[in-house]
Amino acid sequence: DQQVKQNSPSLSVQEGRISILNCDYTNSMFDYFLWYKKYPAEGPTFLISISSIKDKNEDGRFTVFLNKSAKHLSLHIVPSQPGDSAVYFCASTAGNQFYFGTGTSLTVIP
Amino acid sequence: ETGVTQTPRHLVMGMTNKKSLKCEQHLGHNAMYWYKQSAKKPLELMFVYNFKEQTENNSVPSRFSPECPNSSHLFLHLHTLQPEDSALYLCASSQVERMETQYFGPGTRLLVL
Repeated sequence: DQQVKQNSPSLSVQEGRISILNCDYTNSMFDYFLWYKKYPAEGPTFLISISSIKDKNEDGRFTVFLNKSAKHLSLHIVPSQPGDSAVYFCASTAGNQFYFGTGTSLTVIP
Repeated sequence: ETGVTQTPRHLVMGMTNKKSLKCEQHLGHNAMYWYKQSAKKPLELMFVYNFKEQTENNSVPSRFSPECPNSSHLFLHLHTLQPEDSALYLCASSQVERMETQYFGPGTRLLVL
């Protein structure tokens, strides 16, 4: 049973607009939540994380929001750029265990 | 070379073969990981090494045998694999105290015939 779910396999957004990627999780014991970005033929690259004690973390154009009551995580990219086109994975950790979602493929249209 | 490197990038092997995947990190990290990504499935954590000691083995079949001779190198020895073991195998590293921030290699695409 998947503990981290990304229900949207793909998303297309116009350049300059906001991209919102969503993730749901089931385990209330997760202590960190992360987003990774993956280009073809490369490994995932760490993007941004948030501790379970926070509800928002911002890094430049990227902001992650955590809604613990809804067990929901989202990544906002503003403004979206064509170079942001990639597969985005959310992940959660509990101790030494990592759980990844299946990814959302983001396409930013110039 | 920088970051996390993996060799080979592609591997085709028969079910009776023995092969090894290699991972090397140049980041000064002290924790290393093996992940498996099958088609249309999420990344699955297989093994975790902290300071060269294996701390997690997520019910991985014994036909996969990890080895961590030092903090910079990690191997995955493969023998008598099954076709369903065909997948992308990713290595990652981190600092033990920052396990939430892992750096991944490009992966080895394995095909078992």
